[in-house]
Amino acid sequence: GAGVSQTPSNKVTEKGKYVELRCDPISGHTALYWYRQSLGQGPEFLIYFQGTGAADDSGLPNDRFFAVRPEGSVSTLKIQRTERGDSAVYLCASSLLAGGFNEQFFGPGTRLTVL
Amino acid sequence: SQQGEEDPQALSIQEGENATMNCSYKTSINNLQWYRQNSGRGLVHLILIRSNEREKHSGRLRVTLDTSKKSSSLLITASRAADTASYFCATDVGGGADGLTFGKGTHLIIQP
Repeated sequence: GAGVSQTPSNKVTEKGKYVELRCDPISGHTALYWYRQSLGQGPEFLIYFQGTGAADDSGLPNDRFFAVRPEGSVSTLKIQRTERGDSAVYLCASSLLAGGFNEQFFGPGTRLTVL
Repeated sequence: SQQGEEDPQALSIQEGENATMNCSYKTSINNLQWYRQNSGRGLVHLILIRSNEREKHSGRLRVTLDTSKKSSSLLITASRAADTASYFCATDVGGGADGLTFGKGTHLIIQP
């Protein structure tokens, strides 16, 4: 079956530009998570959706970052006025149900490079 | 911030040997999970151990959890070249915060 997919796989942008990163979760998964992974580090939690609503956005670093999931399936992570420090791999994961006992399935990630 | 910290940061062993990686964390947890990440790919879930469990097995994997020491270990027996990857521990602290908190990972290299 299809796993979590993310587009684009790579995104190069210039400082100050706006970017959107897309995540298609596994069909039927109600929970969706965004993480950010810098080189040599583990993934860092950004935001988590239960259905259409953001259940926990405590990991978003600042108000330049925003994410939506309008129909409870596909999610878009939006970054305004990008900075060089935003360069990282952005990972999306989904799980059948919410809750830490449910396995999270990860996508391949989007590598964002801000020049 | 990273809750977990894996030890060692890097490990190189011969094929067929056992590999042990350790993870320490800071706050109380509901469960602890181990993930594998191959170069340039997403993370793959390996095993989950609940806070009331002490040991769990899955194939060639054995995970232990000591909540009094806030530590866990992952043992891979009879290692294979395909086990070469980065291994991360991740904790779920519960309380409605369902995002996982990952450590920095152990990079494991299996020499053929």
